[in-house]
Amino acid sequence: EIVLTQSPGSLSLSPGERGTLSCRASQSLNNNYLAWYQQRPGQAPRLLIYGASSRATGIPDRFSGSGSGTDFTLTISRLEPEDFAVYYCLQYAASPRTFGQGTKVEIK
Amino acid sequence: QVQLQESGPGLVKPSETLSLTCTVSGDSISGYYWSWVRQPPGKGLEWIAYIYPIATTNYNPSLGSRVTISVDVSRSQFSLRLTSVTAADTAVYFCARLGRRDGYLFDYWGQGTLVTVSS
Repeated sequence: EIVLTQSPGSLSLSPGERGTLSCRASQSLNNNYLAWYQQRPGQAPRLLIYGASSRATGIPDRFSGSGSGTDFTLTISRLEPEDFAVYYCLQYAASPRTFGQGTKVEIK
Repeated sequence: QVQLQESGPGLVKPSETLSLTCTVSGDSISGYYWSWVRQPPGKGLEWIAYIYPIATTNYNPSLGSRVTISVDVSRSQFSLRLTSVTAADTAVYFCARLGRRDGYLFDYWGQGTLVTVSS
């Protein structure tokens, strides 16, 4: 199975700052089938980015994804209060689909 | 807008069978893949299984033969059975749709239901 490793485990930032989250795959992802999800406490995950860099419907343009092969990045250009949450990457290039362990973005 | 709602017991005894149902509304259950994902308290997400009505299924090997996913198209529901549960199966269980974004990924989710395994 493909293992996804996210870094850092947590990130302390202030509103308005830029956040950069990393996801590394144990093998190259075909077609860059890598997605990012946001999960707020007590809620289901919400799809942000798919295909490594395409924003899902309704997602603000302060969220952007980049990368290819095994190394991927989610960037939040200017953190809003509602962006403080846990972020997960998902690979859907191979079965079983696997998630990273998550990065918690906390208010500094 | 597609909506999913999980239902089932919140407490299951060790060694017994966990059974959950997901009811889909707002779109047809036919023509899509449907899935279960779980999240132990304070931990990350684990994909469990998916089904394409009515006979195509795929399971996470980590759960072995304990898992069965099924669908009832007439009721717009799909279900999960997990046998011989232990405390390690305590988790929030989400049902989700696999929508096509080139490949298939989880695009719509239920709110999740907490299942605790305890005597």
